[in-house]
Amino acid sequence: DAGITQSPRHKVTETGTPVTLRCHQTENHRYMYWYRQDPGHGLRLIHYSYGVKDTDKGEVSDGYSVSRSKTEDFLLTLESATSSQTSVYFCAISERHGPYEQYFGPGTRLTVT
Amino acid sequence: GNSVTQMEGPVTLSEEAFLTINCTYTATGYPSLFWYVQYPGEGLQLLLKATKADDKGSNKGFEATYRKETTSFHLEKGSVQVSDSAVYFCALSDRGQGGSEKLVFGKGTKLTVNP
Repeated sequence: DAGITQSPRHKVTETGTPVTLRCHQTENHRYMYWYRQDPGHGLRLIHYSYGVKDTDKGEVSDGYSVSRSKTEDFLLTLESATSSQTSVYFCAISERHGPYEQYFGPGTRLTVT
Repeated sequence: GNSVTQMEGPVTLSEEAFLTINCTYTATGYPSLFWYVQYPGEGLQLLLKATKADDKGSNKGFEATYRKETTSFHLEKGSVQVSDSAVYFCALSDRGQGGSEKLVFGKGTKLTVNP
């Protein structure tokens, strides 16, 4: 299994508070991604990184920011959490040389009350 | 933009039944196509892939063929088992910045196999 961990695994927070989710990898893969999974929507890309300090927006980036200061860590921040951001968040990694398979972490279940 | 449409289900089958989950896509260029599977409480894992037209991906008895003429990548298995119960996602690759390949997912199809 690819070495990807996400923390926390579960979190309940109140509307308006900032929240940071962490994705940590031990594979030294260049590319990292944050997705959210919601019923009826599948997975949708929030932000991704193509190198240290190189990030770009995905399909549903409003209300989220990311940072990647070292290869192994990719942080997702909800600046001011809203109930619409209640979701399961998955981190994924991939290495360019290969079939572009993405390896997924175990997910973080976030509830915003 | 690129998109994936897949049969939403849920799909309920008896053990040893034949499975088909339909997936069609819209894309510019020639994306790679994937099927990912998610078992309860877990993240997604790659089931199979195809990188060009007429390629057949296969794994664990599942298979899917990249059909450019019908823009489809239907998942099939000849005889399902209870352990195949999961959510299945069809996805395509979409070129991103810096050589990255973003995934565009369908909404997922929940499969339940009864003994």
